[in-house]
Amino acid sequence: AQSVTQLGSHVSVSEGALVLLRCNYSSSVPPYLFWYVQYPNQGLQLLLKYTTGATLVKGINGFEAEFKKSETSFHLTKPSAHMSDAAEYFCAVSANSGNTPLVFGKGTRLSVIA
Amino acid sequence: KAGVTQTPRYLIKTRGQQVTLSCSPISGHRSVSWYQQTPGQGLQFLFEYFSETQRNKGNFPGRFSGRQFSNSRSEMNVSTLELGDSALYLCASSLAVGTFTEAFFGQGTRLTVV
Repeated sequence: AQSVTQLGSHVSVSEGALVLLRCNYSSSVPPYLFWYVQYPNQGLQLLLKYTTGATLVKGINGFEAEFKKSETSFHLTKPSAHMSDAAEYFCAVSANSGNTPLVFGKGTRLSVIA
Repeated sequence: KAGVTQTPRYLIKTRGQQVTLSCSPISGHRSVSWYQQTPGQGLQFLFEYFSETQRNKGNFPGRFSGRQFSNSRSEMNVSTLELGDSALYLCASSLAVGTFTEAFFGQGTRLTVV
């Protein structure tokens, strides 16, 4: 079974500052890992995903995440926050058979202060 | 190319009633998944359909059911509504079953049970 823990339900950063959103996972099998973003009154949009291969994954809007097996982590980062990054971010995991549904974390709301 | 369309966007129902939500996937996508999103429980998987067959099912009571039609459109039904069913219901479509193919989410149907 898989599970995801996102540390911090709310993170606030200044515009231009580093964004770091934390995600730790638990999986009995090698995982697929995902980050999604949700803007108000919208569905979820895929930011990036790790399946196999390179552990540093680059996504859209300047975000990237690094898969660290030894730490069971998949933290999301962006070097410089922009006002438009304010949204809710979800980390998700599934078994890398690819045939199991996504298990989501509870989400982290990112606020960007001007 | 049109995205995932969910109808209606908003619904208000009374306890004990039943409700049907609709999801039209992206053209060519054959897999449709449903998720329930609430502030307390976050995003929880309901079920996944591919080619009119239910492939995966989450841990929800039998009051929650779904189906998929030959044109890949999907509906979910909730019978005997409870206050706790108030949530944002999200539909996601993808080319095939499995999380190695990207899932595209609709904007959701917000259900309020009074």
